[in-house]
Amino acid sequence: RKEVEQDPGPFNVPEGATVAFNCTYSNSASQSFFWYRQDCRKEPKLLMSVYSSGNEDGRFTAQLNRASQYISLLIRDSKLSDSATYLCVVGGAGGSYIPTFGRGTSLIVHP
Amino acid sequence: GAGVSQSPSNKVTEKGKDVELRCDPISGHTALYWYRQSLGQGLEFLIYFQGNSAPDKSGLPSDRFSAERTGGSVSTLTIQRTQQEDSAVYLCASSLRAGGGNNEKLFFGSGTQLSVL
Repeated sequence: RKEVEQDPGPFNVPEGATVAFNCTYSNSASQSFFWYRQDCRKEPKLLMSVYSSGNEDGRFTAQLNRASQYISLLIRDSKLSDSATYLCVVGGAGGSYIPTFGRGTSLIVHP
Repeated sequence: GAGVSQSPSNKVTEKGKDVELRCDPISGHTALYWYRQSLGQGLEFLIYFQGNSAPDKSGLPSDRFSAERTGGSVSTLTIQRTQQEDSAVYLCASSLRAGGGNNEKLFFGSGTQLSVL
């Protein structure tokens, strides 16, 4: 089992739609969780951290479910500019400070 | 500049040659990471530096790969006797410090596209 798994997609949605991605992780001792966004041929950029209580940043909501070992990202009112690959990142387990990246979920928002 | 700086942005080399890739992290960031990303693939961890501690080299794919970080700042990734399978984007990232939580937020450079002919 891979350490961090994501559905690669692509998710094709119309503008204005709500879309959700999940990401599962294998190490129950993981302590830090993030979503990054990567545009084509660009470097990843931090989208948001994921907190135990869940957190929201504008149209984006992140949730953590420790019992089932997954995190989620919900995007409301999708914009064309949301088209990108969304990377799930998990780290901080058992003294390992190496963030592990999922392979990403591709989102395409069309008019 | 305020961000992570990598050079060169593109490097084309012939099989068997050595290459050096440079990373200048954000000032004050004590943790520095090298990842590589092949076309259409995820990020593969290579090596991690934290302050003056010994680096974690567990991700280096072979002994042709090595990295140094001088003075706790600039890092150089060296690939000896390059092979075609080394072709990828090499990404450097820094964080305030390692240890979990928000301190692990990574800030990436724009990468070096390495092409081995």
